Amino acid sequence: AQSVTQLDSHVSVSEGTPVLLRCNYSSSYSPSLFWYVQHPNKGLQLLLKYTSAATLVKGINGFEAEFKKSETSFHLTKPSAHMSDAAEYFCVVSYYNNNDMRFGAGTRLTVKP
Amino acid sequence: DGGITQSPKYLFRKEGQNVTLSCEQNLNHDAMYWYRQDPGQGLRLIYYSQIVNDFQKGDIAEGYSVSREKKESFPLTVTSAQKNPTAFYLCASRTRQLGDQPQHFGDGTRLSIL
Repeated sequence: AQSVTQLDSHVSVSEGTPVLLRCNYSSSYSPSLFWYVQHPNKGLQLLLKYTSAATLVKGINGFEAEFKKSETSFHLTKPSAHMSDAAEYFCVVSYYNNNDMRFGAGTRLTVKP
Repeated sequence: DGGITQSPKYLFRKEGQNVTLSCEQNLNHDAMYWYRQDPGQGLRLIYYSQIVNDFQKGDIAEGYSVSREKKESFPLTVTSAQKNPTAFYLCASRTRQLGDQPQHFGDGTRLSIL
């Protein structure tokens, strides 16, 4: 069975400082991994995806994530936080053949001026 | 523009009443999904459908029903059997071609009890 754990329910950073949102996964197979962002009362927007190509994945809005198989991690980073980055972030693990996508519980990112 | 449209944005249910949430997509995606989101929690899968006229229960299907008569549409009915329906409901779709593709989401429907 596959699962995903977001290690922090809430992260607070100052504007202009780096962002790190942590995600660990458990999967019996080679997974696909995604990060989504959700603003209040909105749906989820895809930030980036890993599907067994390059291990360092670049996404939208300056975000990137690195797939580390040995650590079963897929942490999301951004060099410099912007006020507009304040939102809820979800890590998702997927295995294609069984149509099973698992969502982490989410990390709320707060950006202080 | 292609996308997923959920309606209404806000919905209120009376005790003992069934309500239906609409989800329409024009992305030509084969698979469609319904999720429930409660405050401070991740998404939980209610139902999903990979092809027309076929659907499967997710993790929390009790008290809900769906249909998939057209590729573009996947309505969700919250029945009176669902005793705690207050939540944010999200519809998603994805293509089953080109490997493991991400889901695309609508903007959600917020359901409350009167």
